[in-house]
Parts: sequence; C-alpha cells; structure tokens
Amino acid sequence: ETGVTQSPTHLIKTRGQQVTLRCSSQSGHNTVSWYQQALGQGPQFIFQYYREEENGRGNFPPRFSGLQFPNYSSELNVNALELDDSALYLCASSGTGSGGAWGTGELFFGEGSRLTVL
Amino acid sequence: SQQGEEDPQALSIQEGENATMNCSYKTSINNLQWYRQNSGRGLVHLILIRSNEREKHSGRLRVTLDTSKKSSSLLITASRAADTASYFCATRTYNQGGKLIFGQGTELSVKP
Repeated sequence: ETGVTQSPTHLIKTRGQQVTLRCSSQSGHNTVSWYQQALGQGPQFIFQYYREEENGRGNFPPRFSGLQFPNYSSELNVNALELDDSALYLCASSGTGSGGAWGTGELFFGEGSRLTVL
Repeated sequence: SQQGEEDPQALSIQEGENATMNCSYKTSINNLQWYRQNSGRGLVHLILIRSNEREKHSGRLRVTLDTSKKSSSLLITASRAADTASYFCATRTYNQGGKLIFGQGTELSVKP
C-alpha cells in the first residue's frame, strides 16, 4: 500500500467525450505526476504538478490537462477522447524527501484508472 | 518516447532459479530505478541506484549500473512464484525535470 488512491478504478467512455480522473497523494507529498500506460507498454509521462503548478509536461496534446489542489490531490482531465486514449492512467506522488519539484527519488504509485474508449 | 530498452521482453524460470533482466538507456542520467507491476495494477518501487554508484543490494535484489555502457541489470536471486510480475527500469535525467522515463518492461514468470 503506497497511500496513493485513484478513482474511478475502471470507466468506459465513447469517442469525443470528456473524462476526469482523480488522485489523492500520499500524506506529506507535494508533487504529483501522471502517467499513461498502454497495454503491453511502459508508462509514459504526461505531466507533473508541484504546489499547484504544472512544472513539467511530456509529449501529450493540450486536451490533456490537470489540476493540483491545496491539499495536493490532483485531477487529470482529457477532452475529446480518442480510441488511442484507452489505457491505464497512473498517478504518482513524491515528497520533498525525494527532491521536491525536481525530485530525483522514488515515486509512489496508485493502482491506476483503466479507461476504455469505444 | 521510451528511454530505456529492456531485455528480455519475457522470461520464464523455475522457482529457486535466478532471474536477470537488463536495461539500456540513451542519455546521461541522475539515477536509475526499478519498479515492479503485478498484472494491470500500480507500480511498486524496488530499488534506486545513483549515477555514481555501481552496485546496490536490497534483500534478494541486486542492481548494477554501468554508465559507460548506459546499461543496468536487475538480478533476483532464489526466485519465488510470487515474483511473477512485469519489471520496469526507469531513468531520471538531469535535463528532464522530475519525470521518470520508463522502459518497455520485462515480463517475468516464475513457475512453482
């Protein structure tokens, strides 16, 4: 158990719809990052939030957006869903002990939200 | 894009045998980490090795890092059926902020 919780665990959407995924980080962690993992692939970095600001982004289009709240929980929003967005979305948290915003330490992952786009 | 490439993609061994997984990467790194993922679930951190370290141990795990060859290996000794999972290497680079760049993973199957 990492203390990182994600919701929902599974969801099904249709192409063109919008989805919001939620993440509660481990107590004391101020940095949250989101990853997309397609079937049979390694996770790919979407973006990272530190103290409510985005401070790093991977190669994902603007329809992938996020928020971090004062309690350090986070949301991932995806607009205009496409079939290729079907994947496991993983949230990970880290704290100042891992180097803060430019953390170099380990990440603590949640169990993920599995999104299927039909 | 994936920084790391892992070899083999799949490995099947008997309980009690050792399992070795290899990872290669492309750019200079701050550190390299190994994670484990049970089928369709979240990733669990196993071990971190810094760029100035060559070898690290944690229980039945041994990790080596060769920065001149840009490669790492993970050895699991005396494997158990419960070690069956996917294993991923992930790198942190100096110019990529806080993100981890993951490899494609090695799927390990340990038969009782």
